[in-house]
Amino acid sequence: EVQLVESGGGLVQPGRSLRLSCAASGFNFDDYAMHWVRQAPGKGLEWVSGIGWNGGIITYADSVKGRFTISRDNAINSLYLQMNSLRAEDTAFYYCAKDTGGRRYYYYGLDVWGQGTTVTVSS
Amino acid sequence: QSALTQPPSASGSPGQSVTISCTGTSSDVGGYNYVSWYQQHPGKAPKLMIYAVSKRPSGVPDRFSGSKSGNTASLTVSGLQAEDEGDYYCSSFAGSNNVKFGGGTKLTVL
Repeated sequence: EVQLVESGGGLVQPGRSLRLSCAASGFNFDDYAMHWVRQAPGKGLEWVSGIGWNGGIITYADSVKGRFTISRDNAINSLYLQMNSLRAEDTAFYYCAKDTGGRRYYYYGLDVWGQGTTVTVSS
Repeated sequence: QSALTQPPSASGSPGQSVTISCTGTSSDVGGYNYVSWYQQHPGKAPKLMIYAVSKRPSGVPDRFSGSKSGNTASLTVSGLQAEDEGDYYCSSFAGSNNVKFGGGTKLTVL
């Protein structure tokens, strides 16, 4: 079964850090770009960051650039999001998602999503 | 990085067709054939319904179709069914390896 399972969310004070993890199974992880997408309470989807199949391409939304770092470990089929200098506006449900396109593509469509993990930034 | 523009709501009766638009610019929707559409039900993760403008993943009913003209992409749901009710988001590759989402459209089946 193709599956993504996020972990690492929680309640954190403004200015502190948190690291999200996403464990992948059921597909060749190193054949696909991966992305993080978040959804603030009652709001729409917001793309956060993406990483190419081999880590050669990494990009971020302007809202998190300089504070968040995406990485992946293809040896253990895992995706990460290191979140530093967290702000109240980073409070959201964070999803990791797999691109459907294969190695040729960076963003073709996100066909597998995890169940998400909640990040709450509050004092 | 402005979001793509979607109508906040759309509705239709069972059996009818409804079309949701997604307007961007020549730097995103109009510049690439990498528009995708997602359906989200309350409390659930989004589900890919259309990718690469008009391709349908396996398992998605052919009642769902996608198209693009210029800077505007569209999702059409034909033969509306009660289970089609939910939030729909468009998304597009936006150059420089960036990605944009639309604000979302709440589809109501009357």
